[in-house]
Amino acid sequence: KQEVTQIPAALSVPEGENLVLNCSFTDSAIYNLQWFRQDPGKGLTSLLLIQSSQREQTSGRLNASLDKSSGRSTLYIAASQPGDSATYLCACTLQTGANNLFFGTGTRLTVIP
Amino acid sequence: EAGVAQSPRYKIIEKRQSVAFWCNPISGHATLYWYQQILGQGPKLLIQFQNNGVVDDSQLPKDRFSAERLKGVDSTLKIQPAKLEDSAVYLCASSSLRNYEQYFGPGTRLTVT
Repeated sequence: KQEVTQIPAALSVPEGENLVLNCSFTDSAIYNLQWFRQDPGKGLTSLLLIQSSQREQTSGRLNASLDKSSGRSTLYIAASQPGDSATYLCACTLQTGANNLFFGTGTRLTVIP
Repeated sequence: EAGVAQSPRYKIIEKRQSVAFWCNPISGHATLYWYQQILGQGPKLLIQFQNNGVVDDSQLPKDRFSAERLKGVDSTLKIQPAKLEDSAVYLCASSSLRNYEQYFGPGTRLTVT
């Protein structure tokens, strides 16, 4: 069974700082890994998807990297803004079995103006 | 392109009552997922459909939960009878068979009193 861990559970940074969110998973035989954003009381918004054959994906100020062999992914946010405040979840699917996502418990980010 | 639609957005019921949630996936998406997200945790898969067939329902408490996707499009998730521990956000997601990226609806927040 895949176990996904996210550290830290919560993070507060001043506006403008660059930051890194960490995700680790126990089973390296993943098919893909997604990073999501969740605002309070809302659903999940997909930020980046990395296929198992890829090392990283970029979208605007966001960069996600994947190291399958060590079971780790990071989400880098450059020049943070107050609008980035949300909970960030990482999730992965396995190569075998159904395409369901195994989620971490998330990192709650607060960007202070 | 319209996103994943869910209704109702909020529901409050007493324990032992029944409740049903509805989901309409993105047009053309063959795969539909129901996830349960308890406060402070990551979402957990309840059931996955491909077209109108069940792919994975190993985490669905079948003594009280049921789900169907009769025509391979809309889906309903039912809880009968509800327990206090069923209080959670119920998220519906869909994906195409082409790239498996999952798109989430806004969720239904269920409170069982």
